[in-house]
Amino acid sequence: EADIYQTPRYLVIGTGKKITLECSQTMGHDKMYWYQQDPGMELHLIHYSYGVNSTEKGDLSSESTVSRIRTEHFPLTLESARPSHTSQYLCASTGWGEDTQYFGPGTRLTVL
Amino acid sequence: RKEVEQDPGPFNVPEGATVAFNCTYSNSASQSFFWYRQDCRKEPKLLMSVYSSGNEDGRFTAQLNRASQYISLLIRDSKLSDSATYLCVVNGGNQGGKLIFGQGTELSVKP
Repeated sequence: EADIYQTPRYLVIGTGKKITLECSQTMGHDKMYWYQQDPGMELHLIHYSYGVNSTEKGDLSSESTVSRIRTEHFPLTLESARPSHTSQYLCASTGWGEDTQYFGPGTRLTVL
Repeated sequence: RKEVEQDPGPFNVPEGATVAFNCTYSNSASQSFFWYRQDCRKEPKLLMSVYSSGNEDGRFTAQLNRASQYISLLIRDSKLSDSATYLCVVNGGNQGGKLIFGQGTELSVKP
């Protein structure tokens, strides 16, 4: 089992609120990723990081932002949530020199 | 054209059946290949890596054809617990470790 954690697991929130989705891993992995996945649809990469102070936008444009101040922590923030942000957000990590990505359990976000 | 394309599903099969999933990828620079399994409303989990020579793990066999840029997964003697979505995953070649996920093929094994 991979040691990668996400909180909260489920979040229902009103439009306009600021939210932060937490992701942490205890494997010392350098690379971390955020994906967005709608039900029955494929995963879309929205952010990734190759190490502390490194963040890049992914293939799918997203209004969210990320930070990487510590190796083990890669939070995702939405400054003003909208119903279009309703989705599942999955965090993953991988060690240097590897390709296999290990996923956290995901956060299922609903914006009313 | 998508970078990774899989058989459209769903596949509905009886217990004990053999089922094969196919996948093609477009980036000839890709070096790593995987099959992930994703249960309904859960995170993807690595099922197996795919090696050039082909590899087997119990009832699961993965094959890679680099010339045709084609990957397959064979499941023998399917079980009810095999019901899930199977994701074909390819690394992005020179894209620094990014993985490209196929849209997945859903498998439903019935008693």
